[in-house]
Amino acid sequence: KAGVTQTPRYLIKTRGQQVTLSCSPISGHRSVSWYQQTPGQGLQFLFEYFSETQRNKGNFPGRFSGRQFSNSRSEMNVSTLELGDSALYLCASSSRTGYGNEQFFGPGTRLTVL
Amino acid sequence: DAKTTQPPSMDCAEGRAANLPCNHSTISGNEYVYWYRQIHSQGPQYIIHGLKNNETNEMASLIITEDRKSSTLILPHATLRDTAVYYCIVRVAGRDDKIIFGKGTRLHILP
Repeated sequence: KAGVTQTPRYLIKTRGQQVTLSCSPISGHRSVSWYQQTPGQGLQFLFEYFSETQRNKGNFPGRFSGRQFSNSRSEMNVSTLELGDSALYLCASSSRTGYGNEQFFGPGTRLTVL
Repeated sequence: DAKTTQPPSMDCAEGRAANLPCNHSTISGNEYVYWYRQIHSQGPQYIIHGLKNNETNEMASLIITEDRKSSTLILPHATLRDTAVYYCIVRVAGRDDKIIFGKGTRLHILP
């Protein structure tokens, strides 16, 4: 079974631009979660989508948004980029069927904001 | 806030068992203990999880104390490829997929 894939793997943007990151979950998984990882703050939860609906949201400004499509693929968007948005953005999928719904992470997208 | 406490770093000789401790003194009755690890610049990798019984899989063993206030992840024969940050997490399995990561333990495997 193919793992979680994220595109692009690396991205360089400048302040004020916007960016869209993509995540394809493991086949059959309907839950997709997004995380931001920075050296200072560690791994932080952004949001979770299940069946095209946002189910959970972390403490991030409204510049961070996401969506999920009917095939469970998900995108996250960051508008008006700031230097502090430079980070590794990780996507994770799970079957969310109850016991043992461990999350499987993708390799991440490394975003650099100049 | 993370509900777990882990030492910031540990060393282990290659070929020996690596024992990583975790304190979760406020764990609730319906919360599981999960372990993930993150090798440099890769996404976190699920290792194992358990509720109250000890668990073992092909990667590791998880020993949970009887009062469930602490646990130990055991890598039986550590190799250099086990060098990573190990995260101990408590969460209710199945309720939501939000994981609160702490700082984790940086495990160094020494040749």
